[in-house]
Amino acid sequence: QSVLTQPPSVSGTPGQTVTISCTGNGSNIGTGHDVHWYQQFPGTAPKLLIFRNNNRPSGVPDRFSGSKSGASASLAITELQAEDEADYYCQSFDNSLSGVVFGGGTKVTVL
Amino acid sequence: QVHLVESGGGVVQPGKSLTLSCAASGFTFRNYGIHWVRQAPGKGLEWVALIWYDGTKTYYSDSAKGRFTVSRDNSKNTMYLQMNSLRVDDTAVYFCTRENSASFNQLDFWGPGTLVTVSA
Repeated sequence: QSVLTQPPSVSGTPGQTVTISCTGNGSNIGTGHDVHWYQQFPGTAPKLLIFRNNNRPSGVPDRFSGSKSGASASLAITELQAEDEADYYCQSFDNSLSGVVFGGGTKVTVL
Repeated sequence: QVHLVESGGGVVQPGKSLTLSCAASGFTFRNYGIHWVRQAPGKGLEWVALIWYDGTKTYYSDSAKGRFTVSRDNSKNTMYLQMNSLRVDDTAVYFCTRENSASFNQLDFWGPGTLVTVSA
């Protein structure tokens, strides 16, 4: 059971918008800790996708966007493309655990 | 170009020990904290440990505390994860990942990972 809660899967057709939620609590996201998002393709290492809630590293398409409100965060993928099919993880810090915490991951399927 | 490369993975029996290495290049290693994150087969990401840029502070997950020790040698641009009393549920790909120096717990570069299999 992950500290941060994500839906196991979301799906959409090409061109649609999908949103992945990441729900924490008052010990992590709710205390104001930033949320970062990672994209992972099978058999490869995760790659930073969104940092500090809503910032994109250089090279990440602006179809990807993040937001945060209260104890939750979300990742939106607009204009969904086949190449976006991957696993996505949110990550923050938890004061009670004194460590990094991840969501359980969300598999995005492009129908 | 930032590179992190893990090594030392393999098959080990329950109760035994194994030490992983993470070799860094392309950046000033001594200025960055480094984390270990693992991923069991078919499962999600799990944070394992953090060592500060200068090695003065270390932090561990509950599952690693008391069994794993993280260290680093800044003269060799290398960090280590010594794992003792290994259990079957420690089986995973272990990634080392660099923490962004200006952004708390932002893991901006990752190695490809090394597989540890704990099996009798």
